[in-house]
Amino acid sequence: DAGVTQSPTHLIKTRGQQVTLRCSPKSGHDTVSWYQQALGQGPQFIFQYYEEEERQRGNFPDRFSGHQFPNYSSELNVNALLLGDSALYLCASSPLGESTEAFFGQGTRLTVV
Amino acid sequence: GNSVTQMEGPVTLSEEAFLTINCTYTATGYPSLFWYVQYPGEGLQLLLKATKADDKGSNKGFEATYRKETTSFHLEKGSVQVSDSAVYFCALRSNDYKLSFGAGTTVTVRA
Repeated sequence: DAGVTQSPTHLIKTRGQQVTLRCSPKSGHDTVSWYQQALGQGPQFIFQYYEEEERQRGNFPDRFSGHQFPNYSSELNVNALLLGDSALYLCASSPLGESTEAFFGQGTRLTVV
Repeated sequence: GNSVTQMEGPVTLSEEAFLTINCTYTATGYPSLFWYVQYPGEGLQLLLKATKADDKGSNKGFEATYRKETTSFHLEKGSVQVSDSAVYFCALRSNDYKLSFGAGTTVTVRA
């Protein structure tokens, strides 16, 4: 059983560009969350998708947007990249339920130059 | 709002030493509590969890007890190995869908 898979693993973009990151959830999971982990810090919640809708959003600007597809996979889009967007972006999936743990992917390391 | 405060690192130990990483939290409602571990260059792996007061989570020799009276969830291991070198994150989920993480504690175990 494949776990949560993310692509690409590494990415370098120029300031002002746009980027799309992808996530396939663990089999049987229908909920996908995205987190941003800056170097030396804990992950920060960006948003969560369930039934193709954004269910909850953290304190991130509108430059950060997402999408969930009918097969539960998800994309994270970031527009007008800033140097401060350089981070590890983590995708987590979980079955619907409040106390179940989230399973994380390996992450996408985004570097903005 | 919800928040997690972790013991600051880095922590350096010798093999077979006792490890404690302190974690306290502030949350609305009755949160579920988690410890995640991150090995170099990897994503997060769930280490253990507890969903109600006085629950003890355990895995791979690590333990943590949900203490509602002190709002704490300290991580302990009696005898660490070099392979336990990693970053450890305390986290909670309360009356919403997101995980709130602490800043992480880097643990290095020397042979």
